[in-house]
Amino acid sequence: EDQVTQSPEALRLQEGESSSLNCSYTVSGLRGLFWYRQDPGKGPEFLFTLYSAGEEKEKERLKATLTKKESFLHITAPKPEDSATYLCAVQEDSNYQLIWGAGTKLIIKP
Amino acid sequence: NAGVTQTPKFQVLKTGQSMTLQCAQDMNHEYMSWYRQDPGMGLRLIHYSVGAGITDQGEVPNGYNVSRSTTEDFPLRLLSAAPSQTSVYFCASSYGSGTGYSAGELFFGEGSRLTVL
Repeated sequence: EDQVTQSPEALRLQEGESSSLNCSYTVSGLRGLFWYRQDPGKGPEFLFTLYSAGEEKEKERLKATLTKKESFLHITAPKPEDSATYLCAVQEDSNYQLIWGAGTKLIIKP
Repeated sequence: NAGVTQTPKFQVLKTGQSMTLQCAQDMNHEYMSWYRQDPGMGLRLIHYSVGAGITDQGEVPNGYNVSRSTTEDFPLRLLSAAPSQTSVYFCASSYGSGTGYSAGELFFGEGSRLTVL
């Protein structure tokens, strides 16, 4: 069964403490992997698309990487405003629709 | 730009009542979809549309109907509400395939929070 698993479920960091979020997936063929940010009471907001193993994308303190079985969202020197739930989704090459992970809730303490 | 607009933001229903969640987008997107989000679970696709007059079922379509008479609007109808439909509902849209944009790059509304008693 195709699935997307995100870990950890929640992560608490001190401001400036770098870490990584994980998204592992099992699909027959990958069309794309997507990272989103969701603030409380809001809809998800698109961050990155990754298409092939070895690809990397960066935006401010965030860097997303992709291997054949998982993706990492690295956060460097985070600030309290980076606190949010980060969602990962995978699109198969045989199916238009996205398979979503349950998310990682990131809390950055000042 | 307004983006994706959902109404209402909050709604309380009694079991058996029906209602429509409204969704409108002003980006001329071909693709529109409805998701539900429940605690501890990933977003689950209810219905989607790849253009006006074309709709299809997603992962969890039972108890819901949709229509797409215009490019801009994609309402979601709950036929006879049940407590299991208590959830947060998101409408999302994207450019269609062949435009150079990935269909996975979705624009979401702010959500409609539904409670069924």
